[in-house]
Amino acid sequence: QVQLQESGPGLVKPSETLSLTCTVSGGSMSRYYWSWIRQSPGKGLEWIGYIYYSGNTYYNPSLKSRVTISVDTSKNQFSLKLSSVTAADTAVYYCARVNYYESYFEYWGQGSLLTVSS
Amino acid sequence: EIVLTQSPGTLSLSPGERATLSCRASQSVSRSYLAWYQQKPGQAPRLLIYGISSRATGIPDRFSGSGSGTDFTLTISRPEPEDFAVYYCQQYGSSPWTFGQGTKVEIK
Repeated sequence: QVQLQESGPGLVKPSETLSLTCTVSGGSMSRYYWSWIRQSPGKGLEWIGYIYYSGNTYYNPSLKSRVTISVDTSKNQFSLKLSSVTAADTAVYYCARVNYYESYFEYWGQGSLLTVSS
Repeated sequence: EIVLTQSPGTLSLSPGERATLSCRASQSVSRSYLAWYQQKPGQAPRLLIYGISSRATGIPDRFSGSGSGTDFTLTISRPEPEDFAVYYCQQYGSSPWTFGQGTKVEIK
């Protein structure tokens, strides 16, 4: 059974860069797309972007200018960086595996709460 | 961007009373790429339905999905106590992938 686990600092100051890592266990990262999604009271669930195991990325246009997703298959990890954060970026951040045949989210991490505050 | 509107916002039911949740898209969802997720407090969303009507592994047959084009429905035929949660629809046919705002199913 594939499991995903997010890790991150919990608190980030405004204008800084948010960094989160997702560790995948119970399966290989190969041949799959891996995604980040966030959930806030104000905006609900929002898809951030995805990365293929080989490194190709695609981002939500609304966040594209601030987002970088990277992958390290040797560590079974992929990561999210979101720059110039504001209070509006306060949310629970989830990592997820995208189904191989269709692009729904079949496995999710438990989520990591990230608060933007000085 | 496809906007998904779910209704009602809250559905109050007695256990065993049929639940019908609606998801309406602002434009047609391509390739039938519509999914439903269940979320309980403090937990991540869990996949229930994909491709409009296919149940995910381990999902009981009291959950069913239907619809086409812009109108979709999730039905819980006889809700069990563990089914009281928030339900989200999501389209993954057009980028950016988007979610509805959710329907809370609560015990009356």
